[in-house]
Amino acid sequence: DAGITQSPRHKVTETGTPVTLRCHQTENHRYMYWYRQDPGHGLRLIHYSYGVKDTDKGEVSDGYSVSRSKTEDFLLTLESATSSQTSVYFCAAGGPETQYFGPGTRLLVL
Amino acid sequence: AQTVTQSQPEMSVQEAETVTLSCTYDTSESDYYLFWYKQPPSRQMILVIRQEAYKQQNATENRFSVNFQKAAKSFSLKISDSQLGDAAMYFCAYRRQTSGSRLTFGEGTQLTVNP
Repeated sequence: DAGITQSPRHKVTETGTPVTLRCHQTENHRYMYWYRQDPGHGLRLIHYSYGVKDTDKGEVSDGYSVSRSKTEDFLLTLESATSSQTSVYFCAAGGPETQYFGPGTRLLVL
Repeated sequence: AQTVTQSQPEMSVQEAETVTLSCTYDTSESDYYLFWYKQPPSRQMILVIRQEAYKQQNATENRFSVNFQKAAKSFSLKISDSQLGDAAMYFCAYRRQTSGSRLTFGEGTQLTVNP
């Protein structure tokens, strides 16, 4: 939704390389999330943050790490990309009630 | 654990007609939120409508309305006067009332609108 951007929007990488995806929000939302979307699975939570330097794991966190050093930025890192991490990644941010989503990043791991 | 089920992988509707998308969920919580998100071919996730579980009145947003049956754990979306721009994947989602809780999504229903 408005105020949430993701970069890059598309990326092709090779197995074993590190990858960092960035989420930036301008609405000062406290909570931020990373989801992945795969066919037949809907969206699944990878990690989330409830404040600067406060993060926690979601249901599919293996192979991923996150960092949040500023309210507006939430980084998702694949330390050593694998083909199973080929997916569309969505960042979301929100307040106590509703989450709004960024445009998504399509990642292809060869 | 909470689960969300959308039993209709695909639906179609004629332009200007009404269609209802189904969603059921499982939870032991009494207070929570339910959402419908729309994902058009652009892949942007767009919030369509939100329902608070403590409210008995069904939420409406223009042509979009829900039928929330708390006892049955059912949350269907009705789209009236369907338009070509309504064609998209629709996701039902659940969230606990606790601030910042994650969304749990169903697998989605692909809606086609025929001219």
